[in-house]
Amino acid sequence: NAGVTQTPKFRILKIGQSMTLQCTQDMNHNYMYWYRQDPGMGLKLIYYSVGAGITDKGEVPNGYNVSRSTTEDFPLRLELAAPSQTSVYFCASSPDGSEAFFGQGTRLTVV
Amino acid sequence: AQSVTQLDSQVPVFEEAPVELRCNYSSSVSVYLFWYVQYPNQGLQLLLKYLSGSTLVKSINGFEAEFNKSQTSFHLRKPSVHISDTAEYFCAVSDWKFQGAQKLVFGQGTRLTINP
Repeated sequence: NAGVTQTPKFRILKIGQSMTLQCTQDMNHNYMYWYRQDPGMGLKLIYYSVGAGITDKGEVPNGYNVSRSTTEDFPLRLELAAPSQTSVYFCASSPDGSEAFFGQGTRLTVV
Repeated sequence: AQSVTQLDSQVPVFEEAPVELRCNYSSSVSVYLFWYVQYPNQGLQLLLKYLSGSTLVKSINGFEAEFNKSQTSFHLRKPSVHISDTAEYFCAVSDWKFQGAQKLVFGQGTRLTINP
């Protein structure tokens, strides 16, 4: 019963580096989401996908990219990391938008 | 575009007292509404949801929320809280269109602290 799995759990990046946050789900869900969580700001939607091959921007997409080549995987790419991208990132999936299942999060620090 | 406002960032209450966490949303279409709970250093877990039907929805641990369309609200209540209810609570909304639910948007969160 893996559910939604995010890797890595922690990462420190230097300014200007790039990295990919991995997210995979084994529930055959169509919907997948990426959020960032900052203290006092709640969760902000970065990108979401309603099925393989379909992605769309959320509230705060700048500085990020996603792809959805399979139902299971929804990686989030950070290009040219900036200190403003220091955050906790959560991936989630949903069968139809009626309930989201969350991963345990990735804590990213950009220095 | 839909949005969610949680009116209180922190709510301290004494154990066994009642509590209400307020949530207002804006949307131009039909909505799904949710409350999620986050315990320290964990991901979010669904507490309860409104999709359709009865406007009063309940969780297994005593929380309830009522969908009020005219006031665009979905406040969360519990008649008697326990220490174990200490957590951060998030209200969320998803627009529903004919092709299905759209993006899921969260409020800023309310930190509920239960004092003995």
